[in-house]
Amino acid sequence: DAMVIQNPRYQVTQFGKPVTLSCSQTLNHNVMYWYQQKSSQAPKLLFHYYDKDFNNEADTPDNFQSRRPNTSFCFLDIRSPGLGDAAMYLCATSRTRLGDEQFFGPGTRLTVL
Amino acid sequence: TQLLEQSPQFLSIQEGENLTVYCNSSSVFSSLQWYRQEPGEGPVLLVTVVTGGEVKKLKRLTFQFGDARKDSSLHITAAQPGDTGLYLCAGARGAQKLVFGQGTRLTINP
Repeated sequence: DAMVIQNPRYQVTQFGKPVTLSCSQTLNHNVMYWYQQKSSQAPKLLFHYYDKDFNNEADTPDNFQSRRPNTSFCFLDIRSPGLGDAAMYLCATSRTRLGDEQFFGPGTRLTVL
Repeated sequence: TQLLEQSPQFLSIQEGENLTVYCNSSSVFSSLQWYRQEPGEGPVLLVTVVTGGEVKKLKRLTFQFGDARKDSSLHITAAQPGDTGLYLCAGARGAQKLVFGQGTRLTINP
């Protein structure tokens, strides 16, 4: 089945220790997103890729970076995680444009010690 | 600012009861999407409503898009514990990014 896969499902890191979360998709969708979600809140968009074009949200901290080496893969790098970065990180895709229906991965739960 | 207000934010009811969740905005959207997110998982798309006044049914779930395409509702009949989750509405305006509501946390007690 075509899907969005996130690894790892659970990630524990130490304060200030860089961490990378990964996302892959078999849907061949053009747009990929990274969201941050804190308990029972709506997902907050961090950035998105429209094909290879990177688009950062204005309020996304510089601590968060992303890479999309090809259509299928996208990475979220947190350079120096703080306690406030503990959250669920969701990757999503949409077929051709931003307003299209989104397909989410299962998420990575990040814990910062 | 295109805000989507969901109400209620939290709802806890007994199995078998009916409920309605609302998603309201002062802005017009080309479509409204509804997602359900179970604990520890990503949101899953339930339905998209596109036409003003449109009603879509998904088993015990009924979705309605307002005539002016500014609001939507989700009605669940005879709620079951499996309906428990976070319900998110999201508004689309053409090629602009989705605007998410803050979500409704629904708990169905056996």
